[in-house]
Amino acid sequence: GAGVSQSPSNKVTEKGKDVELRCDPISGHTALYWYRQRLGQGLEFLIYFQGNSAPDKSGLPSDRFSAERTGESVSTLTIQRTQQEDSAVYLCASSSAGRAEAFFGQGTRLTVV
Amino acid sequence: GQQLNQSPQSMFIQEGEDVSMNCTSSSIFNTWLWYKQEPGEGPVLLIALYKAGELTSNGRLTAQFGITRKDSFLNISASIPSDVGIYFCAGRISGTYKYIFGTGTRLKVLA
Repeated sequence: GAGVSQSPSNKVTEKGKDVELRCDPISGHTALYWYRQRLGQGLEFLIYFQGNSAPDKSGLPSDRFSAERTGESVSTLTIQRTQQEDSAVYLCASSSAGRAEAFFGQGTRLTVV
Repeated sequence: GQQLNQSPQSMFIQEGEDVSMNCTSSSIFNTWLWYKQEPGEGPVLLIALYKAGELTSNGRLTAQFGITRKDSFLNISASIPSDVGIYFCAGRISGTYKYIFGTGTRLKVLA
């Protein structure tokens, strides 16, 4: 596609429920990133993929968080048993192998009530 | 999580003034990116820097990759009201595709 697409744009969920966030990167981009941005704060690295593998998962806050990528395309970030502290905007970005610039989607605003 | 030191944290300036912000790190980076984020939007890429000492412009924006590879600055000349937003630097750790982001500079321009 023309840009990075994330869905849903907004998600309200009850504490304890699981959620799945989706990211469609720019076509042909081999690297894909997930970041978390709490209200009024900077971007916190969660995980990145090179192709379908994830060389660095060091940013995932707990084992309730997981991510996968299939077909060097779509990625899903799953948060199990959501907590109120998980409320944030989850941003996805992608970049190509040859160029380092990472382009972001609009984000998914997650609210846990 | 890891973050770069970015300063200033916020700036209030008059329209027409020049603006300067910078990022410093204890780590060496092989790429620096500068982004602007507006409310409710994802960050938008402004400038990319690839070599130590590199100076790159994009319209009224100029950014430099520090010689030590541990810092970068962004200048905005002749600011206008639409420059309002939060500016973030991002550094890529050598040998990886991992980007670490600065804490952001919130810019407000008074007309």
